Amino acid sequence: DVKVTQSSRYLVKRTGEKVFLECVQDMDHENMFWYRQDPGLGLRLIYFSYDVKMKEKGDIPEGYSVSREKKERFSLILESASTNQTSMYLCASSSYRAPNTGELFFGEGSRLTVL
Amino acid sequence: ELKVEQNPLFLSMQEGKNYTIYCNYSTTSDRLYWYRQDPGKSLESLFVLLSNGAVKQEGRLMASLDTKARLSTLHITAAVHDLSATYFCAVSHSGGGADGLTFGKGTHLIIQP
Repeated sequence: DVKVTQSSRYLVKRTGEKVFLECVQDMDHENMFWYRQDPGLGLRLIYFSYDVKMKEKGDIPEGYSVSREKKERFSLILESASTNQTSMYLCASSSYRAPNTGELFFGEGSRLTVL
Repeated sequence: ELKVEQNPLFLSMQEGKNYTIYCNYSTTSDRLYWYRQDPGKSLESLFVLLSNGAVKQEGRLMASLDTKARLSTLHITAAVHDLSATYFCAVSHSGGGADGLTFGKGTHLIIQP
């Protein structure tokens, strides 16, 4: 089974703090993604990466950055957390090896509260 | 810009009844995905539909895809309480899926005894 592990299930941070959310997948997937989920808004793509050291902006990248130094690990960074970044953050991965369905496999989520 | 619309967004139904959730999307795509999310949990993949006319069934759930109408449906037959969850449809931005999926806002389904 694909396993996507997010390091922290719950975090509470203060405004202005730097926040790191870590995600590790164990299926040698090429593609990794960060989404945020908010009530009434569904899931929105923040950043994604299709290879080591590669990153692409998603739909809502402002206020975030990412790092992918190793294939299995994709980190989301909030340089200076703000209250409007309080949300559930979901990491996902996928492969473009056969059968190449494009299906995403999600981690358990990290619920971040910024005070 | 790819838009994905689900309806209804909220559905309360009784056990034993049938119902359908609809998913419309705005641009050409031949790949559509259905996910389930339980409260406080992450998303679990239910169905992957990869071509026009694709139909998949698992237990009381059946999903179908009409790429010409840009429409997918998730049909629930003889609903049971365990199917209470939020259901999301999602569409691939590109054929390979390397640049992610766009999700609908989700349908919050409550099934009452």
